[in-house]
Amino acid sequence: GNSVTQMEGPVTLSEEAFLTINCTYTATGYPSLFWYVQYPGEGLQLLLKATKADDKGSNKGFEATYRKETTSFHLEKGSVQVSDSAVYFCALSTGTASKLTFGTGTRLQVTL
Amino acid sequence: GAVVSQHPSWVICKSGTSVKIECRSLDFQATTMFWYRQFPKQSLMLMATSNEGSKATYEQGVEKDKFLINHASLTLSTLTVTSAHPEDSSFYICSAHPRGITGELFFGEGSRLTVL
Repeated sequence: GNSVTQMEGPVTLSEEAFLTINCTYTATGYPSLFWYVQYPGEGLQLLLKATKADDKGSNKGFEATYRKETTSFHLEKGSVQVSDSAVYFCALSTGTASKLTFGTGTRLQVTL
Repeated sequence: GAVVSQHPSWVICKSGTSVKIECRSLDFQATTMFWYRQFPKQSLMLMATSNEGSKATYEQGVEKDKFLINHASLTLSTLTVTSAHPEDSSFYICSAHPRGITGELFFGEGSRLTVL
């Protein structure tokens, strides 16, 4: 079956630090990969996605590259801000694009 | 962007009572809505897929008589936890798939249920 493993949090960084949140997956077929973000008190929002190997998704300074050889989709940002504090979920879908398998979520706390 | 609203955002109930959680798409029509459950420090677990005007499709291991799902209109789906017990305490999240738009999902803010 499908599964997503992401690094446990919380991750605490100082503002302007470099961020990496690791995500690896197992899936049947060729999945689409997603990163969702949940800000405090809000629902999950799509941050970025990649639908095939070597694709790079990017948004708001965040990037993730679909690496088929390592079955990974690590999230990176060069310089985090306090406003990036949130919970980040890695997810995949196979077949029906709306049916998602999620990782456990990683809480990011950015301090001044 | 599109908004999905859940209500209530948190609820406390006594064991044996039933609780209804609403999921509304505020500015779009949703042909499909999904209900998830999240335990502390665990991933979101898909419970069921709700299609407007038809019966919900439940994931393996989810009791359909325990978790009643109704998708009566293109903007509203409800999840009723019947005869709730403490082990049903959890965070319930819905998501909605807009009509005519492929691959995009919008999530509610979640509803925290505590059963005493």
